[in-house]
Amino acid sequence: NAGVTQTPKFQVLKTGQSMTLQCAQDMNHEYMSWYRQDPGMGLRLIHYSVGAGITDQGEVPNGYNVSRSTTEDFPLRLLSAAPSQTSVYFCASSYSGTQYFGPGTRLLVL
Amino acid sequence: SQQGEEDPQALSIQEGENATMNCSYKTSINNLQWYRQNSGRGLVHLILIRSNEREKHSGRLRVTLDTSKKSSSLLITASRAADTASYFCATDFPRGFGNEKLTFGTGTRLTIIP
Repeated sequence: NAGVTQTPKFQVLKTGQSMTLQCAQDMNHEYMSWYRQDPGMGLRLIHYSVGAGITDQGEVPNGYNVSRSTTEDFPLRLLSAAPSQTSVYFCASSYSGTQYFGPGTRLLVL
Repeated sequence: SQQGEEDPQALSIQEGENATMNCSYKTSINNLQWYRQNSGRGLVHLILIRSNEREKHSGRLRVTLDTSKKSSSLLITASRAADTASYFCATDFPRGFGNEKLTFGTGTRLTIIP
């Protein structure tokens, strides 16, 4: 049981490039979410999903897209990276109110 | 905007002492949770307290909730070096999707001095 996994662990992008952050969970949780964590800001919700085929925006969705074709996977797409998207990104799945976090992806946009 | 705010932002204590950190929030909640984050890692769930509960224990952790003051406290007793981490409170979103959608505070950085 791997829990929540994220790839890559670290990525450097140039402004304007696109990329997909991968997230997978093997706990059969319906609810999944993406957060970004910046110094002094805590975690802010980007997008979330309550099940396959259903997604919705969180607090800071601009510049990011998500899809949920399966229960297991919840990728986050950066359409055109900007320096303001430099952050640590965490994926989480949830069951009965408790969130289970992945190890995070550190993204640096130059 | 942040729903929860932790206080203090940083705390340093000697090993063996008790550590107390507080969380204040703005709107009504269904439950409040505390998470721990070790440096460079993801968050780990510690404890959940429901709005109709006033106190909850888990091992060396004690959480209180005062819904009239919209505040919670996390007490770690007999601290250990391994407790060095950041601690976050999280509340469920005030409306809509029940307790699966959480809003996190900005965290308290706890350092245990050996």
